[in-house]
Amino acid sequence: AQSVSQHNHHVILSEAASLELGCNYSYGGTVNLFWYVQYPGQHLQLLLKYFSGDPLVKGIKGFEAEFIKSKFSFNLRKPSVQWSDTAEYFCAVYGGSQGNLIFGKGTKLSVKP
Amino acid sequence: DTAVSQTPKYLVTQMGNDKSIKCEQNLGHDTMYWYKQDSKKFLKIMFSYNNKELIINETVPNRFSPKSPDKAHLNLHINSLELGDSAVYFCASSPGTSNEQFFGPGTRLTVL
Repeated sequence: AQSVSQHNHHVILSEAASLELGCNYSYGGTVNLFWYVQYPGQHLQLLLKYFSGDPLVKGIKGFEAEFIKSKFSFNLRKPSVQWSDTAEYFCAVYGGSQGNLIFGKGTKLSVKP
Repeated sequence: DTAVSQTPKYLVTQMGNDKSIKCEQNLGHDTMYWYKQDSKKFLKIMFSYNNKELIINETVPNRFSPKSPDKAHLNLHINSLELGDSAVYFCASSPGTSNEQFFGPGTRLTVL
């Protein structure tokens, strides 16, 4: 079965620090990739997505992600985090016979003011 | 305008009761989903409907039954509620199964 791994369970950063959250998936074929954010007490919102084309994808709020096919990775980055980026971040992958989005277990980001 | 809406937002009930959660989307999407998010924030898909037909039914107790009266609605009925059913339930919709999913605000279910 396909799987999605998010290596960091909880990341704590100070404001203005750079962020990189890891995401790896197991499926070797064509995939659609997503990063979602869930602010405290809220629903999931899409940050960015990759279907094809330029592997460096820019999303909302200054986030970007890079698809590296050879590494089965889709890491999320932001050059300078803000306190308002405190949230749970989910990587999700669609591909293969699974027929639905597979979500990672999430990474909690805490940004200290 | 709310794209994906759920009611109620909070639901507190006793063990053994039967309850329903309603979901509606006004995006014209063909596919709708129910997810369960536990206390550790892990998101687990429960059901997926495409054009009113069930296409995914993960390993979920048969006390949970989805009902799709039309393409814009997917309700979740839960019989004989148990303590372990306490979670946040999210409805979502998408224009196709491989596309971005739009999530509702969630229903926080607490079973006492």
